[in-house]
Amino acid sequence: DAKTTQPPSMDCAEGRAANLPCNHSTISGNEYVYWYRQIHSQGPQYIIHGLKNNETNEMASLIITEDRKSSTLILPHATLRDTAVYYCIVRAVKLSFGAGTTVTVRA
Amino acid sequence: KAGVTQTPRYLIKTRGQQVTLSCSPISGHRSVSWYQQTPGQGLQFLFEYFSETQRNKGNFPGRFSGRQFSNSRSEMNVSTLELGDSALYLCASSFFSEAYNEQFFGPGTRLTVL
Repeated sequence: DAKTTQPPSMDCAEGRAANLPCNHSTISGNEYVYWYRQIHSQGPQYIIHGLKNNETNEMASLIITEDRKSSTLILPHATLRDTAVYYCIVRAVKLSFGAGTTVTVRA
Repeated sequence: KAGVTQTPRYLIKTRGQQVTLSCSPISGHRSVSWYQQTPGQGLQFLFEYFSETQRNKGNFPGRFSGRQFSNSRSEMNVSTLELGDSALYLCASSFFSEAYNEQFFGPGTRLTVL
């Protein structure tokens, strides 16, 4: 599975959009981009995934560049409950988690 | 629809003992994967089962084993426990094992080895 690079941490103001970047320059054609988040001591929570088209669901939007070498997760209106570690993963079969981005939403 | 359940939620064992953890996937899901999470190594893939067969395996010693039953429930076993096996063990289920299927995680079993 391809490796990903994410910033270690970022802050976001409550009510504002949070844009989380991820680089995956070695992604293969059959690998999907997945985003999960983990709130302290809980199991990871699935957020969204995509192959090459932009995706949106009730939680977030996923923007994948045309060359698929990077992506951005957008939380449109961050709340305090969105404070968590966010993992960007590229997956062919198993999920390979990196260190993720610790997102802190501040009031 | 009920989520992934894991039992027990907390466990304390001593070195040299063995332990069995259980995972019940979401109804209809046939793939179950296991992960180990520690502060030092992060979240690491252990193995995946699909229709009672191990499909993929991570880089863990043979002391770590698992199985899946016909109802898709899965167990993992760790023999001869070491202090370094203290971790949060997570189970995730999905319909299939292919990359387009999202995995849903359980709350985990926190194992402490003394």
